[in-house]
Amino acid sequence: SQTIHQWPATLVQPVGSPLSLECTVEGTSNPNLYWYRQAAGRGLQLLFYSVGIGQISSEVPQNLSASRPQDRQFILSSKKLLLSDSGFYLCAKASGTGRTDTQYFGPGTRLTVL
Amino acid sequence: AQSVTQPDIHITVSEGASLELRCNYSYGATPYLFWYVQSPGQGLQLLLKYFSGDTLVQGIKGFEAEFKRSQSSFNLRKPSVHWSDAAEYFCAATRLRGTYKYIFGTGTRLKVLA
Repeated sequence: SQTIHQWPATLVQPVGSPLSLECTVEGTSNPNLYWYRQAAGRGLQLLFYSVGIGQISSEVPQNLSASRPQDRQFILSSKKLLLSDSGFYLCAKASGTGRTDTQYFGPGTRLTVL
Repeated sequence: AQSVTQPDIHITVSEGASLELRCNYSYGATPYLFWYVQSPGQGLQLLLKYFSGDTLVQGIKGFEAEFKRSQSSFNLRKPSVHWSDAAEYFCAATRLRGTYKYIFGTGTRLKVLA
């Protein structure tokens, strides 16, 4: 199964408030997991990726953080949101053996920071 | 630096007309290539992928893409566009640096005229 769940689907938060977005995936164990952000009218920006529990690689310095407490759970967090954090957040997984990794995406979370 | 370029930001075609979306890549090793489609407010759906072998790959929804190593291109085509094909299309590549990261183009927004 390539099913990916993201929660919540939409979120409106005030500036300075905390954030927690959750992603859970189904299917094979030990997938690679990713967080992307799409700002309005722009492409995908890779924020974090994880190749295993507790292993997080950050791509862009910012006030966001990610954690992977379980094999199929990936969480995006912030202690204090900024206006610029608004966007569409996508979780993705990639699984396969060797040279056949394919990335699949969840339905996304629309975050509006006011 | 490795990159994926989609030269066309917007494309408009009439329903029933043929479609070609361009994708060019810059890499230091053989890439794996993907095309995704995104409807408004949705996640990305995989249309097709190329890993090796036959350079003409078939995907879902009647799409196909051709890998041309000499031109560093992976263009997406459809012989007859349907109104439901209106969406944003992303080209992506991975294994560009032997990592598990994916590089996405900035997307092409397709509008279909009735």
